[in-house]
Amino acid sequence: AIQMTQSPSSLSASVGDRVTITCRASQGIRNDLGWYQQRPGKAPKLLIYAASTLQIGVPSRFSGSGSGTDFTLTITSLQPEDFATYYCLQDYNYPWTFGQGTKVEIK
Amino acid sequence: EVELVESGGDLVQPGGSLRLSCAASGLTSATYWMSWVRQAPGKGLEWVANIKQDGSDKSSADSVKGRFTISRDNANNSLYLQMNSLRAEDTAIYYCARVLAVAGRFYFDYWGQGTLVTVSS
Repeated sequence: AIQMTQSPSSLSASVGDRVTITCRASQGIRNDLGWYQQRPGKAPKLLIYAASTLQIGVPSRFSGSGSGTDFTLTITSLQPEDFATYYCLQDYNYPWTFGQGTKVEIK
Repeated sequence: EVELVESGGDLVQPGGSLRLSCAASGLTSATYWMSWVRQAPGKGLEWVANIKQDGSDKSSADSVKGRFTISRDNANNSLYLQMNSLRAEDTAIYYCARVLAVAGRFYFDYWGQGTLVTVSS
């Protein structure tokens, strides 16, 4: 199975900060990667698919990049509602695998 | 508006069985792949199983293969997960999710609120 490793596992940031989360695949996955946001007690929400395509309705402060094995999720100006846990997911092949998550906390 | 509502979660003893259901509204589920994803308490997300629109293609995680079966009833816009030989490590919130297919890539664009399965004696 393809392993997805996110870094960092957690980070503290302030409103207005720029935040970058990295996801590394154990083998090349083209751009078959999505990013999900999960707020406490809620279901996950799709932010980005195909590594860099913003899902409809997601604010433009979110962006994704990368291909092959290395991917990045960037939040350009962190808002109060962005404090959550973020997961990457590869659908390149089965079994689909998530990263372990990155928790973004308020500094 | 698309809505997915899971049900069937419960407390069950190790070795027992449970059937989860997911009722879809606001969409014709027959036109989409559907999935189950789970989350153990305080842990990350784990993909469990997928099923194609007509049920002809299914895949599942190694951790549930041979024990869990995904199925669907398109006439009733419903998705199911039959869970047998349950173990303590199957304790989790189980989410159903609609799969968005874009140029051969697959993503979960709608999720239910989840149903809790607890496996304990």
